Order: sequence, then C-alpha cells, then structure tokens
Amino acid sequence: TQLLEQSPQFLSIQEGENLTVYCNSSSVFSSLQWYRQEPGEGPVLLVTVVTGGEVKKLKRLTFQFGDARKDSSLHITAAQPGDTGLYLCAGEPTAGSNYKLTFGKGTLLTVNP
Amino acid sequence: KAGVTQTPRYLIKTRGQQVTLSCSPISGHRSVSWYQQTPGQGLQFLFEYFSETQRNKGNFPGRFSGRQFSNSRSEMNVSTLELGDSALYLCASSIQGAAGYTFGSGTRLTVV
Repeated sequence: TQLLEQSPQFLSIQEGENLTVYCNSSSVFSSLQWYRQEPGEGPVLLVTVVTGGEVKKLKRLTFQFGDARKDSSLHITAAQPGDTGLYLCAGEPTAGSNYKLTFGKGTLLTVNP
Repeated sequence: KAGVTQTPRYLIKTRGQQVTLSCSPISGHRSVSWYQQTPGQGLQFLFEYFSETQRNKGNFPGRFSGRQFSNSRSEMNVSTLELGDSALYLCASSIQGAAGYTFGSGTRLTVV
C-alpha cells in the first residue's frame, strides 16, 4: 500500500509570512499532484509534477518534486488570507492498471490578516 | 465549460436506509472516480469507472457500489447505512485515469 505523509497537519500564520508544506512517502510515484480545498467544496488541482527534481512555480507558490520521485514540497511566499485552505498532495502510481490516486491527509493552512 | 456536478449537495438519512448519489462529469471525460472524505481518514478511494467498466475498487465493504452509464454519468449507492458512513463523498472526472482530476463540490451525507 502506498502512503503519503503530509506535514505539518495544521499551520496558522500571519499574512506576509513564508511557509513550506511537505509530502513524503517511501514509494515512488509517476507524478505528484497538489490540490487546495476550501470548506464545503471539492479539491482544486493546483499543479502536477512529473520529473524527479522538477520545480514549478505558480505565482507565489513553488512546488518541487524530489529527485527520487518519493516526496514533494509546496512553498508559499508572502502568504495571504486567500491562501487559507486544506492543501492535499496526491500520488499517481508508477505501474500496473491502478487507476487511482493516493492522497495525503492534508495540511490545513490558516493565514490570519 | 461546465464542471463536475454532484447531486444532491446535502443528504440526511437514517441508519439502515440506502442512498444513491449522482455525478455528471465534464463533457468528454470518460473516467469517473469516487472518494470518501472524513476528518480522520482523509480522502479514501472508493472506485473508478471508465467507459462503463469498473477498473479499480478501494477497500470498502460490498454495501458500497457504483455504476457508470453510456453518457459517462455515474452513480454510487450505499445500502444499509451506518453512522460511520457520514462523510463528504467526492466525485472526480478526468480524461483517463489519475492524471489530474476535476472534482465536484461533493455530497455531504449525514447518517443519524
């Protein structure tokens, strides 16, 4: 069974601060996806990283895929209240007819004005 | 384009009853996956359908079932509801498989 561990589980910061969220596994994934979920809504895909060592930037968000494709991180610069939400990482399996994502339990981020 | 539509948004049922949830995927998306989300367990995979065929199933009891129609719309059914089935049920569609989902807003099921 492939598991994804996310840390921290909860994070409360002030507007303007920087933060990093981690997603770790002992398994190799063909891709890692990051989602943000707001209360009462479904998760929204932010980015997919595919290549080991890959770095993708989305405005103030920077996503990195580990060289071994087992872990990923999300860094937010100068956080804003609009960044508040549950951040989920999800891994796509490497092989086999396994058409499902494995999700981490998420990091609940609160950005206070 | 229209997103993934799940109905109903909220549902309250009594223990022992059954429930059917509906999901209409994005037009052109043939893969529909269902997840159960609870605070303690996070998102747990229920099953995935592609072109009316179930390709994968998660570790849920047989009370949880689903199907997909020729227009890619999908339904999931839970029979003999238990209190522990209270959760947000999310449907996600993709062109194929797990390469980036578009989720619906979910159905919040409360079993009393």
